[in-house]
Amino acid sequence: QKEVEQDPGPLSVPEGAIVSLNCTYSNSAFQYFMWYRQYSRKGPELLMYTYSSGNKEDGRFTAQVDKSSKYISLFIRDSQPSDSATYLCAMSGGRDDKIIFGKGTRLHILP
Amino acid sequence: NAGVMQNPRHLVRRRGQEARLRCSPMKGHSHVYWYRQLPEEGLKFMVYLQKENIIDESGMPKERFSAEFPKEGPSILRIQQVVRGDSAAYFCASSQTGAYSPLHFGNGTRLTVT
Repeated sequence: QKEVEQDPGPLSVPEGAIVSLNCTYSNSAFQYFMWYRQYSRKGPELLMYTYSSGNKEDGRFTAQVDKSSKYISLFIRDSQPSDSATYLCAMSGGRDDKIIFGKGTRLHILP
Repeated sequence: NAGVMQNPRHLVRRRGQEARLRCSPMKGHSHVYWYRQLPEEGLKFMVYLQKENIIDESGMPKERFSAEFPKEGPSILRIQQVVRGDSAAYFCASSQTGAYSPLHFGNGTRLTVT
């Protein structure tokens, strides 16, 4: 089993819809969870950073962590065409200092 | 702009040449990570460095690849005798306290080996 699993997509949704992106993981020691957005030909940009379980909201973005299920989510409300990008989850806090990334989900917001 | 700076943005090398990729971390950050990204394969960890120390190089190929982060100056990822399979985007990221704070990425160096 891979440490972090993320559906590669592509995921296509109409403009204005709520988008749900998810990752599962196997290492119960992970405590820090991140979501990055990556546009083509650019570096990943940090969107959300959470510690342990719970929700965190920032504008149209909400990150959720369910440590009991080893499942994290990123919700995007009122999606815009400019949200079209690849979204990567990442996590750390295991035995070593590694930060492990999912493979990313490609998201297309249709105007 | 106080972000992570990588140069060059694009690098073309012929097989057998050396590639040197540079990374200046964000101001105040002393932890540097290098990742390689191939299309459809996500970010692959290569090496984690602090000033003058390699902390974890478990993701680095055993031969031809090396990295350093000197006391003064940028971090360098060096690839000797490049082969076509080295063609990829190489990203550098920095953080304040390693894995316990978020990573901030540069825009990468795209290496093409001809």
